[in-house]
Amino acid sequence: GDSVTQMEGPVTLSEEAFLTINCTYTATGYPSLFWYVQYPGEGLQLLLKATKADDKGSNKGFEATYRKETTSFHLEKGSVQVSDSAVYFCALADLNSGGSNYKLTFGKGTLLTVNP
Amino acid sequence: DAGVTQSPTHLIKTRGQQVTLRCSPKSGHDTVSWYQQALGQGPQFIFQYYEEEERQRGNFPDRFSGHQFPNYSSELNVNALLLGDSALYLCASSSDVRWYQETQYFGPGTRLLVL
Repeated sequence: GDSVTQMEGPVTLSEEAFLTINCTYTATGYPSLFWYVQYPGEGLQLLLKATKADDKGSNKGFEATYRKETTSFHLEKGSVQVSDSAVYFCALADLNSGGSNYKLTFGKGTLLTVNP
Repeated sequence: DAGVTQSPTHLIKTRGQQVTLRCSPKSGHDTVSWYQQALGQGPQFIFQYYEEEERQRGNFPDRFSGHQFPNYSSELNVNALLLGDSALYLCASSSDVRWYQETQYFGPGTRLLVL
């Protein structure tokens, strides 16, 4: 079955440091890939997504590139801020089945803490 | 435009009891999915409702059941609660028509504690 593996946290960085959170996946089809963010006490928010190989998703300074050859979708940001402190989830879904009949498969999440 | 809303925000139950959680999807969305997020884990897919029917289901026992109403809102019911059912329950909505343009939008969740 489909699965997502994220780097173990927690990750602690100083403000303006470079961030990488690794994500690799296993899927039978050609999944779309997502990064969701969860701030303390809140639900999940979509951060970015990529629907096919070599696509780059980007939002709020975060980027991730869909690498089919390495089955990876690593999240990066050049300069993190204190406000980026949150839990980050990598996820996949097979959207090619047609319609909205898909489920998201999530990794375990990576807690990021950014200190001033 | 209201996003996905869930109620209640918190709930405390005892083992063996039954619980009902509620979700209203984002305006324009007709599909509702439910996820269970245990502490320190990623969300796990429970099931999905479309046109008032369960369209697909994850690896959860029959104690977990749901319903979707004509206005697309949904309920998640859990019978015979176990301590292990303590988790954050997330509802997500999406559009069957515009599935290729957008993905699932999540509500803030209902935190269930079973004692």
